[in-house]
Order: sequence, then C-alpha cells, then structure tokens
Amino acid sequence: SQQGEEDPQALSIQEGENATMNCSYKTSINNLQWYRQNSGRGLVHLILIRSNEREKHSGRLRVTLDTSKKSSSLLITASRAADTASYFCATDIYNTDKLIFGTGTRLQVFP
Amino acid sequence: DTAVSQTPKYLVTQMGNDKSIKCEQNLGHDTMYWYKQDSKKFLKIMFSYNNKELIINETVPNRFSPKSPDKAHLNLHINSLELGDSAVYFCASSQVGFPRGETQYFGPGTRLLVL
Repeated sequence: SQQGEEDPQALSIQEGENATMNCSYKTSINNLQWYRQNSGRGLVHLILIRSNEREKHSGRLRVTLDTSKKSSSLLITASRAADTASYFCATDIYNTDKLIFGTGTRLQVFP
Repeated sequence: DTAVSQTPKYLVTQMGNDKSIKCEQNLGHDTMYWYKQDSKKFLKIMFSYNNKELIINETVPNRFSPKSPDKAHLNLHINSLELGDSAVYFCASSQVGFPRGETQYFGPGTRLLVL
C-alpha cells in the first residue's frame, strides 16, 4: 500500500489566504519531501525535512514533521494564483533510496 | 540548459508495439530513476540506477527494461505495449541516492498513450 496519504485531496482558496496540506505515512523515514506539480509538467522539489527536524521554512513555505504521529504539514502563506498546482509529499524510507509519493493535494488559488 | 530532459514528450502507439523513452541529465548526478504516474496522478517508482548499476527494481513487468549506457543517461524500453501501460513516465535524478534518498530532479515527463 502507498506510504503517503494526503489530506485534503483538493483545496480551493482566494489569493492572500493560507493553504495547509497534511501528509501521513506509515513506516520509519530518513526524510520527508514536498514537491509541486503544475498541470502537464514534471515535479519540482520544494523542501526537504529530515527525521530529526521538527520545522523548516523556505520563503512562504513552512513544513512541520511529527515523527511520533508519522505526519507532516505544508503551509503556504499569502497564497498566489501561481501557487495553483498539485502538491505531493514523498517519504524516503529508512535505509533505502526509495521515495514513496502520496496521492497529492490539488490546490486552486483564485485571484 | 535543461537539467533532466526526456524524449519524446508524447508517444502514441498501437498495442503490441515496442517503444523506447530516453532520459538525460546534465547535473552530474550519480542516481537516476523512472517513475510511472497513472491517470489518478499516483506516482510510483519503477527503477533506479546508481552509477549505471541497478538499485531498485520494483514489481514491474519484465516487458519494461531500463538501460543505462552511462551515468548521465537512463533509457526505458517497453516491449509488447499494453493498454494499461498508458500513463505519464517521469525520469528523475539525484546527487546521492542509495542508501539515503535526497532531493530528486524530475524531467518534464513522457505522455504515453497505447491504442
């Protein structure tokens, strides 16, 4: 079964609002990564958080990781129409080089 | 100066045909991957190569055969194409790879449609 489950499956917000996406996983990980995929394009890496980190920031992105609950969240602050995309979490399973992707959250930001 | 490139971008073919997808990365990375993304956007690893050596081989039908002539290239050959092979195939690369995954850089994808 897939490792990452994301919630919500789809999210629609207005420009300027914050968007929060959640990811849950099942086994021990080395790190957790978030990727963005614009329609018809490849995935673009956003941020990586290691298993010994709890929070990480990059620009308007804030990622948290709770290894006790096996969950992560991605917060996009002050969203823009250009943030419209699908967002995937990916877990790097401990002692493998295997990235397991979640089902993704489709974010729509209306101008 | 594309980092990870794939050709072709679109591939429409008949059932039973054999086709290849090529991937090249100019990032100097040691590890390359093939993923399949289905119609529900679910992305699944198929293969990974580290310095031309096969590291990950998921439960993929043996009609799929990756070939890595050098560490900058990882091609995917598919024999006897079936309808269920229709999907988007992504190539990716990473600096470090096995045994610890790092950031992966994805190509633009090849949209395969089997008729």
